[in-house]
Amino acid sequence: DIVMTQSPDSLAVSLGERATINCKSSQSVLYSSNNKSYLAWHQQKPGQPPKLLIYWASTRESGVPDRFSGSGSGTDFTLTISSLQAEDVAIYYCQQYYSTPITFGQGTRLEIK
Amino acid sequence: QVQLQESGPGLVKPSQTLSLTCTVSGGSISSGNYFWSWVRQPAGKGLEWIGRIYASGTTNNNPSLKSRITISVDTSKSQFSLRLSSVTAADTAIYYCARGKIPTGGHLDNWGQGTLVTVSS
Repeated sequence: DIVMTQSPDSLAVSLGERATINCKSSQSVLYSSNNKSYLAWHQQKPGQPPKLLIYWASTRESGVPDRFSGSGSGTDFTLTISSLQAEDVAIYYCQQYYSTPITFGQGTRLEIK
Repeated sequence: QVQLQESGPGLVKPSQTLSLTCTVSGGSISSGNYFWSWVRQPAGKGLEWIGRIYASGTTNNNPSLKSRITISVDTSKSQFSLRLSSVTAADTAIYYCARGKIPTGGHLDNWGQGTLVTVSS
């Protein structure tokens, strides 16, 4: 199984400031045939299901605000929120879909400082 | 916009079989562009992928759950189902159904609201 490890486990950021969450996979999730990393980011607010933010490591899902961006390739990835809003308080999960079983990171809890 | 809705008993006795159904609306469960997954989340914990099924009936399951999983699809009802046998308290969780988008590699792009299943006598 591919193990996904996120850092930090929790993060407190002031409103309007940048938030950065990291995700590392135990093996590469890059498909050489299309040069795409099979890595997604999901946001889960309290009492709600996860919501897709980013796929292919850096492609924003339709309707997701552009303050959310993803970067990285291979084994190391980053989710950045450029200017934190109050509604961004949530737990963020990375997910690899390069191979089965699909696996998730342990989650990063983002709070307002 | 596709919607997924889980349904099934909220309480299951230990050693019995958990059965859940996900109803898909607003989109075709038969589309070759998607697969259909189950994911679970124990209270206060992270996400665990259980398995998936394609409209053809092909399945992939999480080996961590060994042979306890059966996932099936009924395209005539626009539903897919999960059966998890020999449950224990460790299977208590919110169970989500989700859609995977095949043309972009299989990320999970739509989730149901989830249903809480408690295993207790």
